[in-house]
Amino acid sequence: GAGVSQTPSNKVTEKGKYVELRCDPISGHTALYWYRQSLGQGPEFLIYFQGTGAADDSGLPNDRFFAVRPEGSVSTLKIQRTERGDSAVYLCASSLTGGVQGRTEAFFGQGTRLTVV
Amino acid sequence: AQRVTQPEKLLSVFKGAPVELKCNYSYSGSPELFWYVQYSRQRLQLLLRHISRESIKGFTADLNKGETSFHLKKPFAQEEDSAMYYCALSPINFNKFYFGSGTKLNVKP
Repeated sequence: GAGVSQTPSNKVTEKGKYVELRCDPISGHTALYWYRQSLGQGPEFLIYFQGTGAADDSGLPNDRFFAVRPEGSVSTLKIQRTERGDSAVYLCASSLTGGVQGRTEAFFGQGTRLTVV
Repeated sequence: AQRVTQPEKLLSVFKGAPVELKCNYSYSGSPELFWYVQYSRQRLQLLLRHISRESIKGFTADLNKGETSFHLKKPFAQEEDSAMYYCALSPINFNKFYFGSGTKLNVKP
């Protein structure tokens, strides 16, 4: 596709349920990022993948959050036992490269708005 | 700890007036600074980065290491500049951004 695609665009779930959020990066982009944006705040870093591996997961708030990128392309952010405080827009971004040799532009998806009721 | 501060949540100016969106940062090393913009119902996109020293859509931003600031400026605002603007910092290894809380720019006709 032309840009980073995130599905679903909206997700409403009940407290305690499990959710999966999907990100399709731009083809050929090796670096993939997940961010979380709460109301009135800027995006907050969650995790960064370089290829298939999570190079930096320091932003994941707790062990209920997990992300995978098994083939180095599509990524899934998984949230277990959702809480109302998890309600936010989850943004995915990709870039051609990452790390010291990178510094290329990161392209963002439209985000998934997660509402936990 | 890294921090990006955008003191203004909302900035309203009239068309043709100068505009300055403030951004201050704290970081122990030499970061790279960016401005991202989000127009209504569109995705977040890069506006400019300090290393490129470009003027994009009439906007410029100069990194002032002494004042740890990276303010975004435009001499004559246009209505189409109305959007959310986020200042962001990236550490030297460039694997994440730290974003400010954003400033909503409203350019009135």
